[in-house]
Order: sequence, then C-alpha cells, then structure tokens
Amino acid sequence: EQQVQQSPASLVLQEGENAELQCSFSIFTNQVQWFYQRPGGRLVSLLYNPSGTKQSGRLTSTTVIKERRSSLHISSSQITDSGTYLCAMNRGSALGRLHFGAGTQLIVIP
Amino acid sequence: DMKVTQMPRYLIKRMGENVLLECGQDMSHETMYWYRQDPGLGLQLIYISYDVDSNSEGDIPKGYRVSRKKREHFSLILDSAKTNQTSVYFCASSSPGANTGQLYFGEGSKLTVL
Repeated sequence: EQQVQQSPASLVLQEGENAELQCSFSIFTNQVQWFYQRPGGRLVSLLYNPSGTKQSGRLTSTTVIKERRSSLHISSSQITDSGTYLCAMNRGSALGRLHFGAGTQLIVIP
Repeated sequence: DMKVTQMPRYLIKRMGENVLLECGQDMSHETMYWYRQDPGLGLQLIYISYDVDSNSEGDIPKGYRVSRKKREHFSLILDSAKTNQTSVYFCASSSPGANTGQLYFGEGSKLTVL
C-alpha cells in the first residue's frame, strides 16, 4: 500500500498562475517535508512543515495532522518552477526514515 | 560548500556482476542514507547509517549491503546484481541537530542491469 498519496500526478500551468499540490497519508505522522526535483536531478528540501502553515518565498505549505494531509501552494508560478514536487512523511522517530509520494510533475509554460 | 557527491553517475552492468556505488559528504553529518527511485513509486529507503559501522536496514534492504568506515563516506554494494535493481540510487545525509529536518541529497547514480 502506498502510504503517501500525491495529487495531481501532473499539472500544466501558464506562467503567473498559482498551483495547489496535495499530499495525504495513510497513517499519522509528525513530520512532513516537501522536496523539489528537477528532471534527472537531486532532491532539494523546500519546506519542513510538521503542522500548521509555513511559508518560504512563493511557497506556502499547510499541514493538518489530524486529517493526515498536507498541501503546497505555489504562487505566481515561473517557468523555472517546472519539475517534480515530492511530499514525504516520517513514520518513526528517526529523522530521515522518510516515506515518499510518487510526486506531482509540474510544467509551467510561457 | 555543503555537498553530497555520488560516484559513478551512470553505470551499466550485466546481471550477476557486482556493483559499488559510492557517496561522500563534506558536512560531517552523522547520518547517511541510500534511497532508490523508480517511476510511479517515489523514493524507497534501502539503508540508514547513523555513524561509522552503525547501519540499519530500511524498507527494501534485500539484495543490498552497505559499508561505512569513515563518517564522510557511505557505500552501497550489490552482490550479483539483478535486472530489477535497475534504478536511480540517491544518497543523502543529515545532521541530528537539524530540527528543521534538512536532508541533503546527491545527484543520483543511474544503474542499468542488463
């Protein structure tokens, strides 16, 4: 069973539009992270958001632990935002034992 | 400069051959990880190393082993590679004091087993 589900699987936006990415978990967690991965590249940590709302630049993450979900809002999308956004949650106490979703592929067009 | 470096970046092997993937980090992080990434499955944890010679299985350790003899270096070994081990392998490191949960990933090693 996939413990982390992400939606949508892919998303195409015009530059300047906003994006809303969703992540849900099959079990409760106390650590949620969002990562960005450019095609063929390394993962880069975007936001660590165990609960509530966290913002970093044009990115806003909202995590509702009791509802086992987290979202990532990207405002005023840019072409360079294109790539895959992965959600991950930590099931245990050891940091790094992350369970990843399959990702949302975002394509931003001019 | 905080960096995780993986070698080689690309590797083609025949079934049954041995594979060595190497990872280094320059941040003196205690904890290091090996993940594999397959289409539609996200990343799956193979092994965690909490420090030198302190390794723990992840979710999919079968067919893999690891070695950590120096804090800055973590190796993934496939003895007698199988075609279903074709994947992209990512190494990562983190510091236990980083309560923001910061993981640093390498660029990945793409392994093809024929």
